[in-house]
Amino acid sequence: EVQLMETGGGLVQPGKSLKLTCATSGFTFSTAWMNWVRQSPEKGLEWIARIKPKSTNYATEYAESVKGRFTISRDDSKSSIYLQMNSLKEEDTATYYCTGNYFDYWGQGVMVTVSS
Amino acid sequence: DIQMTQSPSSLPASLGDRVTITCRASQDIGNYLRWFQQKPGKSPRLMIYGATNLAAGVPSRFSGSRSGSDYSLTISSLESEDMADYYCLQSKESPFTFGSGTKLEIK
Repeated sequence: EVQLMETGGGLVQPGKSLKLTCATSGFTFSTAWMNWVRQSPEKGLEWIARIKPKSTNYATEYAESVKGRFTISRDDSKSSIYLQMNSLKEEDTATYYCTGNYFDYWGQGVMVTVSS
Repeated sequence: DIQMTQSPSSLPASLGDRVTITCRASQDIGNYLRWFQQKPGKSPRLMIYGATNLAAGVPSRFSGSRSGSDYSLTISSLESEDMADYYCLQSKESPFTFGSGTKLEIK
């Protein structure tokens, strides 16, 4: 059974940092293209970051809205991906999902609230 | 960036109806189009990939089609469990973009 589980969400003040983790199982993680997608009532579903497998030298891509502030990474030995979020803004408030195998598999999501 | 224009935003329908949701791509995306279903409090579920291919476990009353830059999701005979939000996604090129969603509700 495919499973993805996001952790690390919570309430954080503007300008602060937070790191999300997505632990996976049930599929071949090492060759999977992994993404972070977020959802808010204001913006709907928004793709924010992708990391490709080792064969691509772990190439990454970002949405303009998070480029320079967020960093996606992966640890194949733990079948996990991460999202380091720095300089958080109120508009980053959303439910964050990790997706695997392109966009075929989704976690249950984790809430991030940026507020003073 | 590729824009995905989804319509309608809301679709009241009766059980047994045939319903269609459409996304129009602002640029060529080939068949790099996915459809997702999302129920309240749940994460999106892949329904259709490659514009026309049914994902594993999805009932056969769901189908996807393409006509030029217009992509459609059709439910042939609506069941109560189909009431949900539906989104399209273009995965042709980054930044990958979603449609704004369609809320399918009981008339």
